[in-house]
Amino acid sequence: GAGVSQSPRYKVTKRGQDVALRCDPISGHVSLYWYRQALGQGPEFLTYFNYEAQQDKSGLPNDRFSAERPEGSISTLTIQRTEQRDSAMYRCASSPGYEQYFGPGTRLTVT
Amino acid sequence: AQSVTQLDSQVPVFEEAPVELRCNYSSSVSVYLFWYVQYPNQGLQLLLKYLSGSTLVKGINGFEAEFNKSQTSFHLRKPSVHISDTAEYFCAVSSARQLTFGSGTQLTVLP
Repeated sequence: GAGVSQSPRYKVTKRGQDVALRCDPISGHVSLYWYRQALGQGPEFLTYFNYEAQQDKSGLPNDRFSAERPEGSISTLTIQRTEQRDSAMYRCASSPGYEQYFGPGTRLTVT
Repeated sequence: AQSVTQLDSQVPVFEEAPVELRCNYSSSVSVYLFWYVQYPNQGLQLLLKYLSGSTLVKGINGFEAEFNKSQTSFHLRKPSVHISDTAEYFCAVSSARQLTFGSGTQLTVLP
């Protein structure tokens, strides 16, 4: 069946612009997670949802970052007023229980 | 709080040789343990998981891992590697919901 999909796969934006990253989870998966991965590092947790409820946003680095999952399926991670330090791979995962299945990621470059 | 240490950042090994990728974790509560593999320009793929029960778990592509609670380790092994196993491998731990990852081990299989 279809896995987790993310779009765009690559995004180049200028400093100060807003970006929206989309995640389409595996159908029926209750939980959805966002992670950020710097080069040479493992992914770091940002936030997660059960259905449409945001359960934990403790990993969001500051208030420029926000996420939503309004209908309990597709999720959007929004970064406002992007800065160069936001450049990274942003990964989404969905889960039916304990294990998580990852999408291909969005490579964000802020110039 | 949880943490994961992958002791080797790079592991070169010849084709058909055995390999062990080391992972140690710390946590004050019971955990679930995972290994993920990341091939170049691809997403993270779940290799295997330990949730409960037998401490020896088998995964895809001939990999296996052993959970050792007393040593807080979850080392990944394969008796005979192939060129196609060249990839980055991440160990991860979870107790609440989100995954905490190690910094990864680059396995390079040499002909």
